[in-house]
Amino acid sequence: EAEVAQSPRYKITEKSQAVAFWCDPISGHATLYWYRQILGQGPELLVQFQDESVVDDSQLPKDRFSAERLKGVDSTLKIQPAELGDSAMYLCASSLQGPASPLHFGNGTRLTVT
Amino acid sequence: GENVEQHPSTLSVQEGDSAVIKCTYSDSASNYFPWYKQELGKRPQLIIDIRSNVGEKKDQRIAVTLNKTAKHFSLHITETQPEDSAVYFCAARYGGATNKLIFGTGTLLAVQP
Repeated sequence: EAEVAQSPRYKITEKSQAVAFWCDPISGHATLYWYRQILGQGPELLVQFQDESVVDDSQLPKDRFSAERLKGVDSTLKIQPAELGDSAMYLCASSLQGPASPLHFGNGTRLTVT
Repeated sequence: GENVEQHPSTLSVQEGDSAVIKCTYSDSASNYFPWYKQELGKRPQLIIDIRSNVGEKKDQRIAVTLNKTAKHFSLHITETQPEDSAVYFCAARYGGATNKLIFGTGTLLAVQP
């Protein structure tokens, strides 16, 4: 079964440093999502792409976070500078066509900011 | 606002008993309601979903019911087993200009052998 690939699995960084996460969705999935999950809470949508276009980034802290999906396939999420409060699991997901089709999640990147 | 309320936050049952988790949403235009299971340290995985044109859907020991009038939906697990222990998340697709999937806060289900 095809899976969403994410890297790295774990990242420890000091505050004020820059970090980047990578995601490769399931082949043929037009919609890609980045969610942030704080321990004990549900996933919170940061950004949603349809092909290469951002369709929702209303919860993305744009002063420090950026996301791109240049060729409409894989995606990168960047944080610069990282803050202590950014420590969380960053989950990438993809779906065939929009959020009315099943989302498939990657294993996530566990970020710890010290 | 865009939110999905989920209850209870924790649920402990004896093996073989049934478990029920309930969620409410606020957008009457919502039309897709998936449920995800997340085991410790693993990715959320879709276990069942329902669309607004259906009132109930079953898959072996799992069922989901939807009440569009009251804007709530529920997950039912029968004959629970220890391997059902996990965190369960409901979600609702908010439509229109929003068009995104909003997750509930999760329910930690513990099935006691």
